[in-house]
Amino acid sequence: NAGVTQTPKFRVLKTGQSMTLLCAQDMNHEYMYWYRQDPGMGLRLIHYSVGEGTTAKGEVPDGYNVSRLKKQNFLLGLESAAPSQTSVYFCASSTTFSGGIYGYTFGSGTRLTVV
Amino acid sequence: TQLLEQSPQFLSIQEGENLTVYCNSSSVFSSLQWYRQEPGEGPVLLVTVVTGGEVKKLKRLTFQFGDARKDSSLHITAAQPGDTGLYLCAGGLSTASKLTFGTGTRLQVTL
Repeated sequence: NAGVTQTPKFRVLKTGQSMTLLCAQDMNHEYMYWYRQDPGMGLRLIHYSVGEGTTAKGEVPDGYNVSRLKKQNFLLGLESAAPSQTSVYFCASSTTFSGGIYGYTFGSGTRLTVV
Repeated sequence: TQLLEQSPQFLSIQEGENLTVYCNSSSVFSSLQWYRQEPGEGPVLLVTVVTGGEVKKLKRLTFQFGDARKDSSLHITAAQPGDTGLYLCAGGLSTASKLTFGTGTRLQVTL
């Protein structure tokens, strides 16, 4: 079982360039998420999806777009990269139970540097 | 907005010592999870607790959910260098589609 796979693992972009981060999960989870993690800021939610074809904004969505065309994939796009988007990006997926979300399975992260 | 405050923020101890990390909120959660994150990796789920007063044990780690479901603690007995990492608590609501993460506790265990 691969769990949650993120590609690429590392990337350096020039300011103004665009790129797409890919997240794939093989656990048939309904919910998927994109977070960024910065020193001293903790995990901040960018966008999330509660099912194929649906997306919603998190707390820091500006400058990012997402798509969930297939249940197993969740794509994060940067339209015009800025140095402020230098961060480590984590994708996660989850399943649910009667009490809510059982727990996230995270990918290993994408370290993005924008110069 | 639900907030989860963790304490302490940083903890440096020697191998063999015991420690407790706290996760507190003014909000009631339907579930509480604990994660450990090692450098260069994503957080890994350690446990989910769902019942007020619930206690779960995972080898040397003991997790407790407060009776009122507003707080939780993680106790590590006889810490080892392999316990080093960032510990995150996260709360969930039965009606919510995302978790609220705590501020994190960075633990370093030295020989």
